[in-house]
Amino acid sequence: NAGVTQTPKFQVLKTGQSMTLQCAQDMNHNSMYWYRQDPGMGLRLIYYSASEGTTDKGEVPNGYNVSRLNKREFSLRLESAAPSQTSVYFCASSQGGGRTAGELFFGEGSRLTVL
Amino acid sequence: ILNVEQSPQSLHVQEGDSTNFTCSFPSSNFYALHWYRWETAKSPEALFVMTLNGDEKKKGRISATLNTKEGYSYLYIKGSQPEDSATYLCALTSGTYKYIFGTGTRLKVLA
Repeated sequence: NAGVTQTPKFQVLKTGQSMTLQCAQDMNHNSMYWYRQDPGMGLRLIYYSASEGTTDKGEVPNGYNVSRLNKREFSLRLESAAPSQTSVYFCASSQGGGRTAGELFFGEGSRLTVL
Repeated sequence: ILNVEQSPQSLHVQEGDSTNFTCSFPSSNFYALHWYRWETAKSPEALFVMTLNGDEKKKGRISATLNTKEGYSYLYIKGSQPEDSATYLCALTSGTYKYIFGTGTRLKVLA
């Protein structure tokens, strides 16, 4: 059972380079999320997608773009990477939202270093 | 922006001790409170989802309670074991599709 799959697991970038983190889920969930995890900061929401075709900003969206390609896939793009974007990125999915929000299922994380 | 606070930040207990942590949140705009367990080098995994004031959930030696009127939830671990060592996160959902996380309580159980 794959659940939520993220790629790549590790990436080193130079300042100014671009890259895309890929995420796919096979649980037929409507909602998908991108979080970043930094020491002492917990999980902070970057962007989310409540359903196919919609995306919304979270707490820390600056410097990122997202695409909900279809119901399964939700990608996160860094157009011009900065050292402040060095972090561990987690993709997650859930069924429903608001009052019907179910538990989040997380991918294994992607560790990104920007030099 | 909703503020979800967890205390303590970290905790060391001896094997066999019972312990508890707190998650505090704004009592208005509450929909659901989630608890997750996050082991080092792994992904967070859900423990409980609670929605009603007075909810109590239990899974083995771990249990949780919810007070939506005063805005807090407690997570209890009875008879802590080394394998309970992890970061315990709570998250709030309220009116949108966002899950807002606290910064977590890092538990270390000493053998």
